Amino acid sequence: AQSVTQLGSHVSVSEGALVLLRCNYSSSVPPYLFWYVQYPNQGLQLLLKYTSAATLVKGINGFEAEFKKSETSFHLTKPSAHMSDAAEYFCAVSERTYKYIFGTGTRLKVLA
Amino acid sequence: GAGVSQSPSNKVTEKGKDVELRCDPISGHTALYWYRQSLGQGLEFLIYFQGNSAPDKSGLPSDRFSAERTGGSVSTLTIQRTQQEDSAVYLCASSLAQGNTGELFFGEGSRLTVL
Repeated sequence: AQSVTQLGSHVSVSEGALVLLRCNYSSSVPPYLFWYVQYPNQGLQLLLKYTSAATLVKGINGFEAEFKKSETSFHLTKPSAHMSDAAEYFCAVSERTYKYIFGTGTRLKVLA
Repeated sequence: GAGVSQSPSNKVTEKGKDVELRCDPISGHTALYWYRQSLGQGLEFLIYFQGNSAPDKSGLPSDRFSAERTGGSVSTLTIQRTQQEDSAVYLCASSLAQGNTGELFFGEGSRLTVL
């Protein structure tokens, strides 16, 4: 069965610093992996997805993630944090079916 | 509308009352999901509809929860005899197909508070 673990429920970074949000997954088949972002009082929106093409995936707002099979990881990064990046971020996995399993989320705080 | 629409956005009810939450998906999206988001718990899958197929109800936490999707479009999630532990944000999402590589489009959610 698939599962997702997000390390760190809260992450704080200074404006301009590197953002690194960690996601590890478990899957019995080659997975599809996703990162979603949720701004306050809004629904989730897709940042990026991995579906077995290039292992380095670029998304919106300057975010990217790298699929590392050997580490079963799909960490989300952004070189330089902006105040507008403050939000909650969810990693999700699918075993190529309609079922998506979401992590518990990481709340990103950006300090001025 | 252009996006997934959910109503009400906020609902406060008393323990033991029934509530109905509505989701209007994006036009043309055949797949529809309900998730529950509790504080610190992530998103919990509740139910999945795909076209005219039988829904996957495996995530419904008890028989107090039910959902319908009429005409392949609007869906209603009903919670009977609400309990305080039902307090959460209920999110609806839709997608074009079975969603295994597709993007899920989420509504803004219905925040349910059971007193």
